[in-house]
Amino acid sequence: AQSVAQPEDQVNVAEGNPLTVKCTYSVSGNPYLFWYVQYPNRGLQFLLKYITGDNLVKGSYGFEAEFNKSQTSFHLKKPSALVSDSALYFCAVEDGGATNKLIFGTGTLLAVQP
Amino acid sequence: EAQVTQNPRYLITVTGKKLTVTCSQNMNHEYMSWYRQDPGLGLRQIYYSMNVEVTDKGDVPEGYKVSRKEKRNFPLILESPSPNQTSLYFCASRRGGSLPYEQYFGPGTRLTVT
Repeated sequence: AQSVAQPEDQVNVAEGNPLTVKCTYSVSGNPYLFWYVQYPNRGLQFLLKYITGDNLVKGSYGFEAEFNKSQTSFHLKKPSALVSDSALYFCAVEDGGATNKLIFGTGTLLAVQP
Repeated sequence: EAQVTQNPRYLITVTGKKLTVTCSQNMNHEYMSWYRQDPGLGLRQIYYSMNVEVTDKGDVPEGYKVSRKEKRNFPLILESPSPNQTSLYFCASRRGGSLPYEQYFGPGTRLTVT
Protein backbone atom coordinates (compact mmCIF):
# COMPACT_ATOMS: atom_id res chain seq x y z
CA ALA A 1 0.00 0.00 0.00
CA GLN A 2 1.13 3.53 -0.74
CA SER A 3 2.05 5.70 2.22
CA VAL A 4 3.97 8.80 3.21
CA ALA A 5 5.51 9.73 6.53
CA GLN A 6 6.33 13.12 7.94
CA PRO A 7 8.59 12.44 10.92
CA GLU A 8 8.40 15.93 12.45
CA ASP A 9 5.23 17.33 13.96
CA GLN A 10 6.77 20.78 14.09
CA VAL A 11 9.75 22.56 12.57
CA ASN A 12 11.02 25.83 13.99
CA VAL A 13 13.26 28.13 11.98
CA ALA A 14 14.37 31.74 12.19
CA GLU A 15 13.37 34.13 9.44
CA GLY A 16 16.03 34.29 6.74
CA ASN A 17 17.38 30.82 7.49
CA PRO A 18 16.93 27.87 5.15
CA LEU A 19 14.13 25.46 5.97
CA THR A 20 13.54 21.78 5.32
CA VAL A 21 10.34 19.83 5.92
CA LYS A 22 10.89 16.10 5.67
CA CYS A 23 8.83 13.46 3.89
CA THR A 24 9.52 9.82 3.13
CA TYR A 25 7.38 7.60 0.98
CA SER A 26 6.59 3.97 0.38
CA VAL A 27 5.06 3.13 -2.99
CA SER A 28 5.00 0.36 -5.51
CA GLY A 29 5.91 1.56 -8.95
CA ASN A 30 6.68 5.15 -9.87
CA PRO A 31 5.62 7.67 -7.23
CA TYR A 32 3.53 10.75 -7.91
CA LEU A 33 4.41 13.00 -4.96
CA PHE A 34 2.88 16.30 -3.88
CA TRP A 35 3.31 19.04 -1.32
CA TYR A 36 0.35 21.07 -0.10
CA VAL A 37 0.22 23.95 2.37
CA GLN A 38 -2.62 24.85 4.72
CA TYR A 39 -2.82 28.35 6.16
CA PRO A 40 -5.04 28.94 9.21
CA ASN A 41 -8.76 28.70 8.39
CA ARG A 42 -8.01 27.97 4.75
CA GLY A 43 -8.17 24.95 2.50
CA LEU A 44 -5.09 23.18 1.20
CA GLN A 45 -3.13 24.85 -1.57
CA PHE A 46 -0.96 23.01 -4.07
CA LEU A 47 2.76 23.84 -3.86
CA LEU A 48 4.51 21.40 -6.20
CA LYS A 49 4.59 17.86 -7.50
CA TYR A 50 7.05 15.26 -8.73
CA ILE A 51 6.11 13.02 -11.63
CA THR A 52 9.35 12.02 -13.29
CA GLY A 53 12.57 13.53 -14.57
CA ASP A 54 14.52 16.22 -12.75
CA ASN A 55 14.95 15.36 -9.06
CA LEU A 56 14.70 19.02 -8.01
CA VAL A 57 11.18 20.32 -8.40
CA LYS A 58 10.41 24.03 -8.15
CA GLY A 59 7.05 25.23 -6.93
CA SER A 60 5.09 28.20 -5.68
CA TYR A 61 6.27 30.87 -3.21
CA GLY A 62 9.96 29.99 -3.68
CA PHE A 63 9.61 26.42 -2.43
CA GLU A 64 11.34 23.47 -3.99
CA ALA A 65 11.52 19.77 -3.23
CA GLU A 66 14.21 17.20 -3.77
CA PHE A 67 13.24 13.72 -4.86
CA ASN A 68 15.68 11.02 -3.73
CA LYS A 69 14.84 7.56 -4.97
CA SER A 70 17.51 5.72 -3.00
CA GLN A 71 16.38 7.28 0.28
CA THR A 72 12.68 7.26 -0.73
CA SER A 73 12.45 10.89 0.35
CA PHE A 74 10.80 14.03 -1.00
CA HIS A 75 11.88 16.85 1.32
CA LEU A 76 10.47 20.34 0.95
CA LYS A 77 13.00 23.18 1.03
CA LYS A 78 13.30 26.91 0.85
CA PRO A 79 16.58 28.86 0.91
CA SER A 80 15.32 31.73 3.07
CA ALA A 81 12.26 31.39 5.31
CA LEU A 82 9.66 34.13 5.77
CA VAL A 83 7.36 34.62 8.75
CA SER A 84 4.49 34.31 6.28
CA ASP A 85 5.61 30.74 5.46
CA SER A 86 4.32 29.66 8.87
CA ALA A 87 1.63 27.09 8.12
CA LEU A 88 0.81 23.38 8.13
CA TYR A 89 2.52 21.42 5.35
CA PHE A 90 1.34 18.10 3.98
CA CYS A 91 3.20 15.63 1.85
CA ALA A 92 1.02 13.32 -0.26
CA VAL A 93 1.28 10.52 -2.77
CA GLU A 94 -1.29 9.76 -5.42
CA ASP A 95 -2.61 6.25 -5.35
CA GLY A 96 -1.35 4.36 -8.37
CA GLY A 97 -4.72 2.76 -9.03
CA ALA A 98 -7.73 4.20 -10.76
CA THR A 99 -9.00 6.19 -7.78
CA ASN A 100 -6.78 9.31 -8.09
CA LYS A 101 -6.80 9.29 -4.31
CA LEU A 102 -4.27 11.39 -2.44
CA ILE A 103 -2.71 9.67 0.56
CA PHE A 104 -1.53 12.29 3.02
CA GLY A 105 1.09 12.38 5.70
CA THR A 106 0.14 13.62 9.13
CA GLY A 107 1.38 17.13 8.47
CA THR A 108 4.24 19.27 9.76
CA LEU A 109 3.65 22.62 11.40
CA LEU A 110 6.26 25.13 10.26
CA ALA A 111 6.86 28.02 12.64
CA VAL A 112 9.10 30.82 11.39
CA GLN A 113 10.25 33.20 14.12
CA PRO A 114 11.01 36.84 13.26
CA GLU B 1 -11.83 32.71 -10.47
CA ALA B 2 -11.30 28.96 -10.31
CA GLN B 3 -12.56 27.73 -6.99
CA VAL B 4 -14.19 25.06 -4.88
CA THR B 5 -16.85 26.33 -2.51
CA GLN B 6 -18.31 24.60 0.53
CA ASN B 7 -21.24 25.46 2.74
CA PRO B 8 -21.62 25.87 5.58
CA ARG B 9 -18.16 26.76 6.85
CA TYR B 10 -19.08 26.00 10.45
CA LEU B 11 -21.82 23.75 11.77
CA ILE B 12 -22.80 22.62 15.25
CA THR B 13 -25.47 19.96 15.41
CA VAL B 14 -26.84 17.23 17.64
CA THR B 15 -26.55 13.49 17.34
CA GLY B 16 -28.96 11.99 14.83
CA LYS B 17 -30.02 15.17 13.04
CA LYS B 18 -29.48 14.71 9.31
CA LEU B 19 -27.28 17.28 7.61
CA THR B 20 -25.82 18.04 4.20
CA VAL B 21 -22.59 19.85 3.39
CA THR B 22 -22.59 21.24 -0.11
CA CYS B 23 -19.61 21.39 -2.46
CA SER B 24 -19.41 23.07 -5.84
CA GLN B 25 -16.59 23.64 -8.33
CA ASN B 26 -16.46 25.89 -11.37
CA MET B 27 -13.58 24.26 -13.24
CA ASN B 28 -15.53 21.57 -15.08
CA HIS B 29 -13.52 18.91 -13.27
CA GLU B 30 -14.54 15.31 -13.67
CA TYR B 31 -13.12 14.11 -10.34
CA MET B 32 -14.36 15.21 -6.93
CA SER B 33 -13.61 13.93 -3.48
CA TRP B 34 -14.36 14.43 0.21
CA TYR B 35 -11.72 14.25 2.93
CA ARG B 36 -11.82 14.61 6.67
CA GLN B 37 -8.94 16.06 8.63
CA ASP B 38 -8.26 14.98 12.20
CA PRO B 39 -5.27 15.91 14.39
CA GLY B 40 -2.41 13.46 14.05
CA LEU B 41 -4.11 11.60 11.22
CA GLY B 42 -3.74 13.97 8.29
CA LEU B 43 -6.48 13.89 5.69
CA ARG B 44 -8.39 10.73 4.91
CA GLN B 45 -10.64 10.19 1.93
CA ILE B 46 -14.33 9.57 2.61
CA TYR B 47 -15.85 9.23 -0.86
CA TYR B 48 -14.89 10.14 -4.37
CA SER B 49 -16.52 10.53 -7.76
CA MET B 50 -14.86 9.99 -11.11
CA ASN B 51 -17.74 11.64 -12.99
CA VAL B 52 -21.49 12.25 -12.92
CA GLU B 53 -23.38 9.32 -11.39
CA VAL B 54 -20.08 7.52 -10.61
CA THR B 55 -19.18 7.43 -6.92
CA ASP B 56 -17.19 5.08 -4.73
CA LYS B 57 -16.03 4.64 -1.17
CA GLY B 58 -12.75 5.96 0.11
CA ASP B 59 -10.97 4.89 3.26
CA VAL B 60 -13.50 6.05 5.87
CA PRO B 61 -16.99 5.96 4.30
CA GLU B 62 -19.01 4.68 7.28
CA GLY B 63 -21.77 7.08 8.27
CA TYR B 64 -21.58 9.16 5.10
CA LYS B 65 -23.39 9.31 1.77
CA VAL B 66 -22.71 11.26 -1.40
CA SER B 67 -24.36 11.91 -4.74
CA ARG B 68 -23.15 13.30 -8.05
CA LYS B 69 -26.13 14.32 -10.14
CA GLU B 70 -24.37 17.26 -11.74
CA LYS B 71 -20.75 17.67 -12.68
CA ARG B 72 -20.19 20.75 -10.54
CA ASN B 73 -21.82 19.57 -7.29
CA PHE B 74 -20.85 16.84 -4.86
CA PRO B 75 -22.78 17.06 -1.57
CA LEU B 76 -21.80 15.11 1.54
CA ILE B 77 -24.70 13.74 3.54
CA LEU B 78 -24.64 12.60 7.15
CA GLU B 79 -27.93 10.74 7.70
CA SER B 80 -27.49 10.31 11.44
CA PRO B 81 -24.43 12.20 12.68
CA SER B 82 -22.53 10.94 15.70
CA PRO B 83 -19.89 12.66 17.87
CA ASN B 84 -17.07 10.70 16.20
CA GLN B 85 -17.89 12.57 13.00
CA THR B 86 -16.80 15.82 14.60
CA SER B 87 -14.03 16.88 12.24
CA LEU B 88 -12.83 19.32 9.59
CA TYR B 89 -14.13 18.37 6.15
CA PHE B 90 -12.66 19.29 2.80
CA CYS B 91 -14.06 18.91 -0.68
CA ALA B 92 -11.61 18.71 -3.57
CA SER B 93 -11.70 18.49 -7.35
CA ARG B 94 -9.27 17.80 -10.18
CA ARG B 95 -9.20 17.01 -13.83
CA GLY B 96 -9.98 13.42 -14.65
CA GLY B 97 -7.61 10.88 -16.17
CA SER B 98 -4.53 8.98 -15.16
CA LEU B 99 -2.08 11.89 -15.15
CA PRO B 100 -1.34 13.26 -11.65
CA TYR B 101 -3.15 16.59 -11.80
CA GLU B 102 -3.20 18.65 -8.64
CA GLN B 103 -6.33 18.75 -6.56
CA TYR B 104 -8.10 22.00 -5.69
CA PHE B 105 -9.53 22.19 -2.20
CA GLY B 106 -12.44 24.05 -0.73
CA PRO B 107 -12.05 26.21 2.41
CA GLY B 108 -13.28 23.48 4.73
CA THR B 109 -16.32 22.85 6.91
CA ARG B 110 -15.80 22.50 10.64
CA LEU B 111 -18.47 20.18 12.00
CA THR B 112 -19.20 19.61 15.67
CA VAL B 113 -21.68 16.90 16.68
CA THR B 114 -22.80 16.98 20.31
